[in-house]
This record gives sequence, structure tokens and C-alpha cells, in this order.
Amino acid sequence: QVQLQESGPGLVKPSETLSLTCTVSGGSISSFYWSLIRQPPGKRPEWIGYISYSGNTNYNPSLQSRVTISLDPSKNQFSLRLNSVTAADTAVYYCARGYGPGTAGFDYWGLGTLVTVSS
Amino acid sequence: QSALTQPASVSGSPGQSITISCTGTSSDVGGYNYVSWYQQHPGKAPKLMIYDVSKRPSGVSNRFSGSKSGNTASLTISGLQAEDEADYYCGSYTSSITWVFGGGTKLTVL
Repeated sequence: QVQLQESGPGLVKPSETLSLTCTVSGGSISSFYWSLIRQPPGKRPEWIGYISYSGNTNYNPSLQSRVTISLDPSKNQFSLRLNSVTAADTAVYYCARGYGPGTAGFDYWGLGTLVTVSS
Repeated sequence: QSALTQPASVSGSPGQSITISCTGTSSDVGGYNYVSWYQQHPGKAPKLMIYDVSKRPSGVSNRFSGSKSGNTASLTISGLQAEDEADYYCGSYTSSITWVFGGGTKLTVL
């Protein structure tokens, strides 16, 4: 059974960088597409971006200038960096597995981690 | 990219059927058969219930079914059970090579 686990600081100061790591267990990260999705409290989920098993990335245009997703196959992990955060970036951040462009659905999700942006 | 539109709430009694709609555009729901539905209980991660408009992942009850007509997709839950009470979100692949979600529908089982 594939499992994803998010880890990172729960509190980030405005203008700083949010860093989050997703650890995949029960399967290899060297397949599939790995996405970050966030959900502000009481709001709809928002897809942030993905990284493929080969390292190709694609980001939500609304966040593209501030986002970097990277892959570490040796640790079966992928990571998010979101620069210049504001209170609007406060959300539960999820790691999820998908199948890439031209597909629907994310079949495995992590439990999510709440990141609050506040001084 | 525009978000998908869902009703804020629906309700039904145990044993009844309900349908949740999800309206998008020709650039997402109407343009691709890549619509998915997620069930989310409070404080939990979303769970994939339907993908590719009408396919069920292994382990999902056949009481859940999906369909699409034009720019609107629908999720139907038959034989409502108390455990179905949750928030439901639709999602769609888009022509921008991104994914977009609906605002969510709160299902109340009376």
C-alpha cells in the first residue's frame, strides 16, 4: 500500500520560504507523477504543481514564479519550496500521486500538514 | 484558470439517492473525460471515489457513480448511508495542463 507523509515547519513568517518534504513508502518514486495540492481552511483544494519520475515539472500559473518542486529518488522523497509567502499561503498542504498530463485524479494522498504564515 | 462550480450543500435520507453537479467549461470538464470526485471527512485527506468521469477505484462502493453531459459532470450516491456524510469535491484536468477543483458540496444524511 502506497503511503505519503508530509513533513515541514507548521509556522512560516511572511516573506520567508515555505519548505515541505513528502516521503513515499510502499512504492517507488521512480514512477508516476507527484503533486503538491493545498487547501486553505474552509476552501477548495488548489493544485500547486507536479514533478514526474524523470524530473519534469509543471506548475500552477498562479504560483509559478514562486514555486519549485524537486525530486530525491535516493530517499524516495519530493519537496516543495514556495518563496515570499503571505497569509494567503496559509493552508493544509498535501502530497499526492497522479498519472501525469492527460489524466484525471490523484489516487493516493498524504494526511496533510497545516502551514500557517504569520509573524 | 476558473474553478469548477458545485452546489454548497445537498441532503438526503438513508436509502435515498442524491446527485451532486459540477459545472466547468469546454477547457476542462467539457473538453476531457478526466473528471474525478473526492470524498473528504472532517480533518481527513481527500479520498478518490471516481476518476475518468465514471470509473471507480478498487475498494470504492458501487453505490457511487459518475457521469458527464457537456460541461457538467455529476456524482450520484445511491442507497445513502450515514457514513457517506462528508464534503465532496470534483476535479478536472484542464487545457492548460493543470488540474482544477470545485468549491465542494457538503452532503448531509438526514
